[in-house]
Amino acid sequence: GAGVSQTPSNKVTEKGKYVELRCDPISGHTALYWYRQSLGQGPEFLIYFQGTGAADDSGLPNDRFFAVRPEGSVSTLKIQRTERGDSAVYLCASSDNLAGGPPDTQYFGPGTRLTVL
Amino acid sequence: DAKTTQPPSMDCAEGRAANLPCNHSTISGNEYVYWYRQIHSQGPQYIIHGLKNNETNEMASLIITEDRKSSTLILPHATLRDTAVYYCIVSDFNSGNTPLVFGKGTRLSVIA
Repeated sequence: GAGVSQTPSNKVTEKGKYVELRCDPISGHTALYWYRQSLGQGPEFLIYFQGTGAADDSGLPNDRFFAVRPEGSVSTLKIQRTERGDSAVYLCASSDNLAGGPPDTQYFGPGTRLTVL
Repeated sequence: DAKTTQPPSMDCAEGRAANLPCNHSTISGNEYVYWYRQIHSQGPQYIIHGLKNNETNEMASLIITEDRKSSTLILPHATLRDTAVYYCIVSDFNSGNTPLVFGKGTRLSVIA
């Protein structure tokens, strides 16, 4: 079946602009995660959705970052007033939230490379 | 911060076993050990996980010490396509779905 997809694959913007990054999770997966990866670092958690609601947004760096998942499927990460330090690869992952047992395997998309000039 | 410690890089000859170590000395009884890898320009990919018993699947084997303070991921016959950054992660199953906490991982280079 189809994996997690993310669009666009690359986004170049200017400092101060607004950007939206989209994630299409695996069909039926109720849990969705956003991570950010800077060069040479491991992915860093941003926000986690269970269904339509944000179950944990503790990783969002500041109030310029916001994410939605209105129908419990597709999610959009929104960044206002972008700064050069926001340049990174933004990764999305989904999992199927099986009850009990070990934490569910997360399936990652290829990421969106954001460059803020 | 990541609860695991891994060497920053390792080399392995093609066709030989790659043994990637991970220290997780503060692991709690509720925490599983997970391994993911990230091939260049791709998202991380799940490899294997375990709680206390050794595990094997089609990709790799996971050996966890009896005290659970360290583990080793084994790729039995490394190929050039196994060149990637390998992340060892501990995750608490009592917390339901939880975000993964990545460190910097080990960059494995498989050499022909």
